[in-house]
Amino acid sequence: RKEVEQDPGPFNVPEGATVAFNCTYSNSASQSFFWYRQDCRKEPKLLMSVYSSGNEDGRFTAQLNRASQYISLLIRDSKLSDSATYLCVVNGVTGGGNKLTFGTGTQLKVEL
Amino acid sequence: EAGVTQSPTHLIKTRGQQATLRCSPISGHTSVYWYQQALGLGLQFLLWYDEGEERNRGNFPPRFSGRQFPNYSSELNVNALELEDSALYLCASSLRGPYGYTFGSGTRLTVV
Repeated sequence: RKEVEQDPGPFNVPEGATVAFNCTYSNSASQSFFWYRQDCRKEPKLLMSVYSSGNEDGRFTAQLNRASQYISLLIRDSKLSDSATYLCVVNGVTGGGNKLTFGTGTQLKVEL
Repeated sequence: EAGVTQSPTHLIKTRGQQATLRCSPISGHTSVYWYQQALGLGLQFLLWYDEGEERNRGNFPPRFSGRQFPNYSSELNVNALELEDSALYLCASSLRGPYGYTFGSGTRLTVV
C-alpha cells in the first residue's frame, strides 16, 4: 500500500463549481498534514495545513479523519486560476525528525 | 525574507558527466530536502539533511549523493549521468518539527 494515495484525476469542472479531493494515508503515527498546490513545471507551494478540527481558508476547506486515516480538500466557487495539481502531504515521524511524504497529486482543470 | 534559492536554474549535461546542484535554505531552517520530479510524474524523495548530517535517503543509486554545509546550504551531486536523470530537482527547507516545507524553484537538469 502506498504511504499516501490520491485519485490522479483529472477533475474537469466548470467555473463556479464545488469540487472535493480525497486522500488516504497509511502511517497512523503521522502528526501533521498539508495540502500543496503545484502549477505546471513549477515548485509545489503550501496551500494549507490540515487540523483535526477541520479548517477553512476562504474558498478552501480541509478535513482530517484520523480514525479512517483520510484527508479531504473542498474547493468552493472554483476559479480558472485554481487549475493545478493538488498534493496531499503527510509527515512521518522518523527519529523525531520531519520527513514529509507527498502523494502523486490530483489534477484539477477549471473550465469556462 | 529570502526564500529557498537554487542554482543553476537550468543545467545541460552529457551522459556520463557529473552534475552539481546547489541550494540555500530559508534563514533559520536547518533541514534541507531534495526531490526529483521527472516530467509528468510525482515527487520522488532523494535526500534529507539536518544539522549537517544525512538523516534519510530515498530509493536512488549511490551515484546520487550530497552534503550539507555548516551554514545549512546543501549540494546535490549526480555522477555518471544517465538520460533518465533528466528531471526537475527540487530543494526544500523547513524548521525542525512538524512543519511544512518551503520549496525552491528548482534546477531543471537535461541529460543529452
